[in-house]
Amino acid sequence: DTAVSQTPKYLVTQMGNDKSIKCEQNLGHDTMYWYKQDSKKFLKIMFSYNNKELIINETVPNRFSPKSPDKAHLNLHINSLELGDSAVYFCASSQEVRGTAAYTQYFGPGTRLLVL
Amino acid sequence: GNSVTQMEGPVTLSEEAFLTINCTYTATGYPSLFWYVQYPGEGLQLLLKATKADDKGSNKGFEATYRKETTSFHLEKGSVQVSDSAVYFCALSVSLFSGGYNKLIFGAGTRLAVHP
Repeated sequence: DTAVSQTPKYLVTQMGNDKSIKCEQNLGHDTMYWYKQDSKKFLKIMFSYNNKELIINETVPNRFSPKSPDKAHLNLHINSLELGDSAVYFCASSQEVRGTAAYTQYFGPGTRLLVL
Repeated sequence: GNSVTQMEGPVTLSEEAFLTINCTYTATGYPSLFWYVQYPGEGLQLLLKATKADDKGSNKGFEATYRKETTSFHLEKGSVQVSDSAVYFCALSVSLFSGGYNKLIFGAGTRLAVHP
């Protein structure tokens, strides 16, 4: 199936640990994103990569480090996890058309992170 | 700045009732407007979009019209079903800079619960 996939789907861990979330898209898109959705369902962009280049970094703590080994993959590594990092993290992808805002983002199923 | 304001939920309706979820926006330039839907336990899916003033987006019986004069993009459906129960997000996309990349800005989401 063509889609945006994320692993793991659930992640339960202790405060202070380091963890990674992986994202892959096989839609042939050149732009990928990480979003954080809090417990009130508020959705906020964290990072965006276009062709492996970072183009959006929304003042996220530097404990969060995205890495894009190629344009089909965007991983998120989180150091020294804190209670406030508990959330659902969504990966998304799109085919950017520069100079136009008329594009669709395709979302993965989410990774539910719980920090104890 | 750019922002999206949605009516607070939850919205609770009986099956076959008429649905309106209000959305207004503030944006510089000429944004595109979107409605995304999130079913329980899933990622976001595009429901419909409109890319210029007076455009009407429609899908699965839902529709919304891009009204520049009132800066609104209200979502409507004539007869809701139990399967429409979900969280609905209004969003706008703006170019980050002339000829540059885009950014999606989401409203806070409105939960819809439809009961038989």
